[in-house]
Amino acid sequence: EAQVTQNPRYLITVTGKKLTVTCSQNMNHEYMSWYRQDPGLGLRQIYYSMNVEVTDKGDVPEGYKVSRKEKRNFPLILESPSPNQTSLYFCASGTGISYNEQFFGPGTRLTVL
Amino acid sequence: AQSVAQPEDQVNVAEGNPLTVKCTYSVSGNPYLFWYVQYPNRGLQFLLKYITGDNLVKGSYGFEAEFNKSQTSFHLKKPSALVSDSALYFCAVRTDSWGKLQFGAGTQVVVTP
Repeated sequence: EAQVTQNPRYLITVTGKKLTVTCSQNMNHEYMSWYRQDPGLGLRQIYYSMNVEVTDKGDVPEGYKVSRKEKRNFPLILESPSPNQTSLYFCASGTGISYNEQFFGPGTRLTVL
Repeated sequence: AQSVAQPEDQVNVAEGNPLTVKCTYSVSGNPYLFWYVQYPNRGLQFLLKYITGDNLVKGSYGFEAEFNKSQTSFHLKKPSALVSDSALYFCAVRTDSWGKLQFGAGTQVVVTP
């Protein structure tokens, strides 16, 4: 089954404790992206990757890191999480000329205390 | 600067009646526009896109959208709403960079029996 998977689905952590949210897709897509969803703000793009070893900032990259060492994986790293990073996070992948017809993962709900 | 606006936080409609979800945009150059839907506790699903060509775009689940360049709008429509259409709908616009996608704040659609 074609899908984007994220782990963990739910995470409660404390300020400053480094964490990684994994994202994997099995569709051989070149493009992957991370978003955060907050009430009233819609989805905001954190980082995206056009292909292996190619990443770029979205609209809200501060406090986040990403890497794209393999085509299928695109982990999101929070080196020192803060409460304002409490949010619902989505990973997505896409292909084709527009890249914007994207397939989304199920989401990761992160709470930083 | 690129932007997309969804002027209504919520749209209420009775089952069987027409459904319209509004979206306006501001981009430099030709717009690439998208609609996504989010069902409760799920990731987003792609509905339809406008890249070029006919102003009326048909998508999944009986939805369509009308691109209006003069009014810079891309409203989502469905001739006869179903209770199962109740969900959160997002309009999105591709910005100057191929990889960047900007979402509106979302419109909650409530279809009552």
